[in-house]
Amino acid sequence: NAGVTQTPKFRVLKTGQSMTLLCAQDMNHEYMYWYRQDPGMGLRLIHYSVGEGTTAKGEVPDGYNVSRLKKQNFLLGLESAAPSQTSVYFCATRTSGRGEQYFGPGTRLTVT
Amino acid sequence: EDQVTQSPEALRLQEGESSSLNCSYTVSGLRGLFWYRQDPGKGPEFLFTLYSAGEEKEKERLKATLTKKESFLHITAPKPEDSATYLCAVGANQAGTALIFGKGTTLSVSS
Repeated sequence: NAGVTQTPKFRVLKTGQSMTLLCAQDMNHEYMYWYRQDPGMGLRLIHYSVGEGTTAKGEVPDGYNVSRLKKQNFLLGLESAAPSQTSVYFCATRTSGRGEQYFGPGTRLTVT
Repeated sequence: EDQVTQSPEALRLQEGESSSLNCSYTVSGLRGLFWYRQDPGKGPEFLFTLYSAGEEKEKERLKATLTKKESFLHITAPKPEDSATYLCAVGANQAGTALIFGKGTTLSVSS
């Protein structure tokens, strides 16, 4: 049981480049979330999904897109990276019943 | 607006010196109060969920309590391995019950 995995672990992008972060889970959870964590800001919700084929915006969605084509995968895309998107990105999942979320190990992204 | 405030920002303790971390919250319709531990370079690790005032949960040297306005994480006789950042979050009554996080308390325990 891998739980929640994220790829890549680290990435450096130049301004204007694009990339996709992958979150995969083997817990059969319905809900999936993308957060970003910045110093002094805490974790903030970017986008979320309540089930396969559904996505919705969170607190800070600008500059990001997401897709959930398969229940076990949740992709976060940056179409044109900006230095303000330098952050650590975490994926989380939870079941439809219990409230706690389980987090992946994170992706550290630097945009220069 | 839903909000979570944690204090202190940082706490230094000697091994065996008990203390408490505070989490105060304002939320329209609490759907759980959550405590997480985060080690440097790692993702948050789930510790406790509390749902109603008066509820308490314990795990090893940690005990979490909940009132209508705040939660406390009590650390009894801490050890150096308890050093980490402790995050408090509330379940929002929207956005797929996403979590609203405080900024965390960084605990350092020296031997």
